[in-house]
Amino acid sequence: DTGVSQDPRHKITKRGQNVTFRCDPISEHNRLYWYRQTLGQGPEFLTYFQNEAQLEKSRLLSDRFSAERPKGSFSTLEIQRTEQGDSAMYLCASSFSNYNEQFFGPGTRLTVL
Amino acid sequence: AQTVTQSQPEMSVQEAETVTLSCTYDTSESDYYLFWYKQPPSRQMILVIRQEAYKQQNATENRFSVNFQKAAKSFSLKISDSQLGDAAMYFCAYRSAGGTSYGKLTFGQGTILTVHP
Repeated sequence: DTGVSQDPRHKITKRGQNVTFRCDPISEHNRLYWYRQTLGQGPEFLTYFQNEAQLEKSRLLSDRFSAERPKGSFSTLEIQRTEQGDSAMYLCASSFSNYNEQFFGPGTRLTVL
Repeated sequence: AQTVTQSQPEMSVQEAETVTLSCTYDTSESDYYLFWYKQPPSRQMILVIRQEAYKQQNATENRFSVNFQKAAKSFSLKISDSQLGDAAMYFCAYRSAGGTSYGKLTFGQGTILTVHP
């Protein structure tokens, strides 16, 4: 499968715990995006990478959130000290350029108890 | 900041019939792209159709077509000959063509489409 993959698909954690999600983009794509989608809503932009550089972060990305993309390949999104309000689907997308189609992964559904 | 509004939380259609999903957006930019994405239950989002704002001709992809009204900032999706596999959440999305936008998408709230056999 050469699409965007995300791991894990589901994560249940207790409030206050740290969680980390991984996204593997399509191999030749150098643009990578993270979005957050709450139930019944559209995805909201979180952050963007061009190769290994994180070029934009949304105000939604509080200090508890950090994202990395070492070597411009896979990306990780870490949430520290999770809160119940962090419960959502976290979507990763990749594209070949800013103006090409974004391909989405299946998402990681986070539930914070 | 740009906003995208989908005023129809749910829509339904009979198989083989035609349905139109509505979307309006607000922007001060003149150059941008508009998209319709489909998100089937428990499956990943896929692109249905895209429209470049500078093009006057409405985009068409097989059974899917759009009605793009730039002055009215309206971008509706028409699905002809609806099929059971069309059942999904549909999102309208906006992307700036400006160089500092980095291609991020701004989504509407979504419309759940049910297709009845």
